[in-house]
Amino acid sequence: EPEVTQTPSHQVTQMGQEVILRCVPISNHLYFYWYRQILGQKVEFLVSFYNNEISEKSEIFDDQFSVERPDGSNFTLKIRSTKLEDSAMYFCASRVTSQALDTQYFGPGTRLTVL
Amino acid sequence: AQKITQTQPGMFVQEKEAVTLDCTYDTSDPSYGLFWYKQPSSGEMIFLIYQGSYDQQNATEGRYSLNFQKARKSANLVISASQLGDSAMYFCAMREVSRDMRFGAGTRLTVKP
Repeated sequence: EPEVTQTPSHQVTQMGQEVILRCVPISNHLYFYWYRQILGQKVEFLVSFYNNEISEKSEIFDDQFSVERPDGSNFTLKIRSTKLEDSAMYFCASRVTSQALDTQYFGPGTRLTVL
Repeated sequence: AQKITQTQPGMFVQEKEAVTLDCTYDTSDPSYGLFWYKQPSSGEMIFLIYQGSYDQQNATEGRYSLNFQKARKSANLVISASQLGDSAMYFCAMREVSRDMRFGAGTRLTVKP
């Protein structure tokens, strides 16, 4: 069964460093998402991406964050200058059609630790 | 404003018994979808079940069923015949046509042997 994949599974970085989190959505999916989950808290929406542009972003997704689909398969989240509070699990998700009520499938997550 | 409420931070259930996890939501949009995800200790988000706002019947997927009460704006997850492997965090989520998915705070289910 096709699945969303994410790399790395765990990233440790120093405060102020740039990180890039990578995702490979399910191949025929058109809508892509990033979510964040701080340890012990709920999953928070960051950004959605369709047709090579951001379609919606939350207040969390400030100028330090950017997303890109550099080729036909990868979808990346970049944090330019990490802060301690960026430590969280980051989930990528995708869904297939323009039907807004389609299920989103999540990747296994990348645990980001900022020291 | 879209809002998802899960009022039970933690629930306990005896193995082989049924358990209901509560979820209420708030939306003014007539078209929306309700989702439940399971998050085991390993951290991944596993899709369990979906209910569309126009669906006449409650959704079922194996041991999972969704008790959808539209007038009350509730979408409770029922797990029948609980198993030890059901111990996890469970998140209710909603997406409206014009918005992206938002999650509740989650309920931690512990299945006792």
